Amino acid sequence: ETGVTQSPTHLIKTRGQQVTLRCSSQSGHNTVSWYQQALGQGPQFIFQYYREEENGRGNFPPRFSGLQFPNYSSELNVNALELDDSALYLCASSQGLAGIEETQYFGPGTRLLVL
Amino acid sequence: AQKITQTQPGMFVQEKEAVTLDCTYDTSDPSYGLFWYKQPSSGEMIFLIYQGSYDQQNATEGRYSLNFQKARKSANLVISASQLGDSAMYFCAMWGSNYQLIWGAGTKLIIKP
Repeated sequence: ETGVTQSPTHLIKTRGQQVTLRCSSQSGHNTVSWYQQALGQGPQFIFQYYREEENGRGNFPPRFSGLQFPNYSSELNVNALELDDSALYLCASSQGLAGIEETQYFGPGTRLLVL
Repeated sequence: AQKITQTQPGMFVQEKEAVTLDCTYDTSDPSYGLFWYKQPSSGEMIFLIYQGSYDQQNATEGRYSLNFQKARKSANLVISASQLGDSAMYFCAMWGSNYQLIWGAGTKLIIKP
């Protein structure tokens, strides 16, 4: 069984640029969530995709957008990068929507540095 | 709204000792679940253990167990016989509204040889 994978592992961008992060969900999982984790803090929910539709969104501006593909892989796009976007971006997959027992399994993350 | 509180920013523990990491939560939902994750310095968030609010027994997974006290709204993680590889950040989490996991601030655990 293949776990959650993310690419790239590290990325350096400059302010104002655009970035695309990619995630492949664990086999059999149809739900993908994205989180931003600043240094020394807990993860912050960006959004969740279920069967190619955005299913929930946290307090992030519209320049954070995403896609989920028919194979349930996903992309996170961030436009007009700001210095505060520097963080670890975590992708998590689960078998279904968030029931109380639904466990999310995480990828290794992408470390984004905005200069 | 749901809330998770972890009051221990950091802990030092001697190798082979047991360690308890605290987690208290707040929710008005009658049914809920609590998760613990481990995050090594590499960054990956690793699922450790789950406790459902209606589970009759405390959850256990190998060296990990959960001391669940529903009336006190606490779900403390107990690691028995700690190892050097247990050094990491540990997060407590639960499902909130809007399909998101609500996270505590985390506890940095350092195991001393």
